[in-house]
Amino acid sequence: AQRVTQPEKLLSVFKGAPVELKCNYSYSGSPELFWYVQYSRQRLQLLLRHISRESIKGFTADLNKGETSFHLKKPFAQEEDSAMYYCALSGVYNTDKLIFGTGTRLQVFP
Amino acid sequence: NAGVTQTPKFQVLKTGQSMTLQCAQDMNHNSMYWYRQDPGMGLRLIYYSASEGTTDKGEVPNGYNVSRLNKREFSLRLESAAPSQTSVYFCASSFGTGQYFGPGTRLTVT
Repeated sequence: AQRVTQPEKLLSVFKGAPVELKCNYSYSGSPELFWYVQYSRQRLQLLLRHISRESIKGFTADLNKGETSFHLKKPFAQEEDSAMYYCALSGVYNTDKLIFGTGTRLQVFP
Repeated sequence: NAGVTQTPKFQVLKTGQSMTLQCAQDMNHNSMYWYRQDPGMGLRLIYYSASEGTTDKGEVPNGYNVSRLNKREFSLRLESAAPSQTSVYFCASSFGTGQYFGPGTRLTVT
C-alpha cells in the first residue's frame, strides 16, 4: 500500500538550531516525493520536489530509496520557518495524484 | 493569474442542510482535486478529476458529490451536512507534477 509517514506531530527548536523533519514512505514503484508548507491560516504551497534537487528557503531534502525516506533539513532555523509541513508522494505513472502524510508542525522559538 | 480560487471562505451549516463549495483555476490545468484537512489527519482526498468530464472517488468520498463543470471549475456538494463534515476544505489543480492549492473553505456543521 502507498503510505507516507511523518512520525513527529510537533518539532520545537530554537532559532539558529538545525532542523530535520522526518518523512518515510512505502511505495511499490518509483515515487516522486514533495514537501509542502502551510503557514498559519494560509494555503498549502509547494516547497520542493525531489526531482528538482533544489534548495528553497534554505531547506533541502534528499530521497533515500534504501531507507525509503525523504527527510527535510535546514541547517539554521528561522522564526519565519514556523509552519505546518507535509510530505507527499505521487507515482511516476500517475503523477498528478498525491498521498499526504499527517504533517509536522515546526515551532521555531526566538 | 489568480491561481486557484475558492468560495466561500467560511460557512456554518446546520445538520441536514446542503451547500456547494466552488473552486476555479485559471492555469489551464487538466486535473483538479478536493481535500479535507482535519487535525492529526493531514489532507485526505475526497474526489478528483483527471480531466474535464471525468471524476473519481478519493479516500473519503462518502457524503460528498462533485461536478467538473468545465476545465476551470470543480465544485463539491454536501447534500445533507453532518457534524463529521466540519473541516477545512481545499481545492487544488495540477498539470504534471506538483499541485497548486486554493485558500480553503472553513466549514462548521452544528
